[in-house]
Amino acid sequence: ILNVEQSPQSLHVQEGDSTNFTCSFPSSNFYALHWYRWETAKSPEALFVMTLNGDEKKKGRISATLNTKEGYSYLYIKGSQPEDSATYLCAPTGGGNKLTFGTGTQLKVEL
Amino acid sequence: SAVISQKPSRDICQRGTSLTIQCQVDSQVTMMFWYRQQPGQSLTLIATANQGSEATYESGFVIDKFPISRPNLTFSTLTVSNMSPEDSSIYLCSAQSGTGYQETQYFGPGTRLLVL
Repeated sequence: ILNVEQSPQSLHVQEGDSTNFTCSFPSSNFYALHWYRWETAKSPEALFVMTLNGDEKKKGRISATLNTKEGYSYLYIKGSQPEDSATYLCAPTGGGNKLTFGTGTQLKVEL
Repeated sequence: SAVISQKPSRDICQRGTSLTIQCQVDSQVTMMFWYRQQPGQSLTLIATANQGSEATYESGFVIDKFPISRPNLTFSTLTVSNMSPEDSSIYLCSAQSGTGYQETQYFGPGTRLLVL
């Protein structure tokens, strides 16, 4: 899978704000979509694996939705906290083991 | 899940030299991978490290430049050979766990390489 786009490239929000960002990918040959959170100097952390059209997953204040027909996924963060500051990466896969990463959305949550 | 460590965590190297990065997984895994992230770019797969056989390289990456070893199911190394400043990147290894649709790759913390 090529042409994975994430927007916005970066985002500054205030503590307590809710925010969301987008991952767009070609809808053909879709198998699964992975979301990761990558904090500086740490390992990228797996957040979600999504496979079904209309799927919605939640982990604490973070949730994600998937539209495989139109080729996009949204990641939502409710009530942002400074510890949410990180780069959020999406990676669709067309089957097999190859993850194709977007360039990420860099989130900064300010007090 | 899998816990992955990498050594070194960072290094500054001179052009023309080589650096070997080690990746250790806390459990036996079938699939291990090497990625790099150049400044301002996305994480890009370099190769799949195959246990007991030669690594499978992605387009644009060759064995002479990035030799990989995978002697067993918990360990792999990536060597960046004859380095140039363009090799300055974060290099990450990952290991795949789970089956079917729940397959997930778990990543090490990365090796930050600066080539002068």
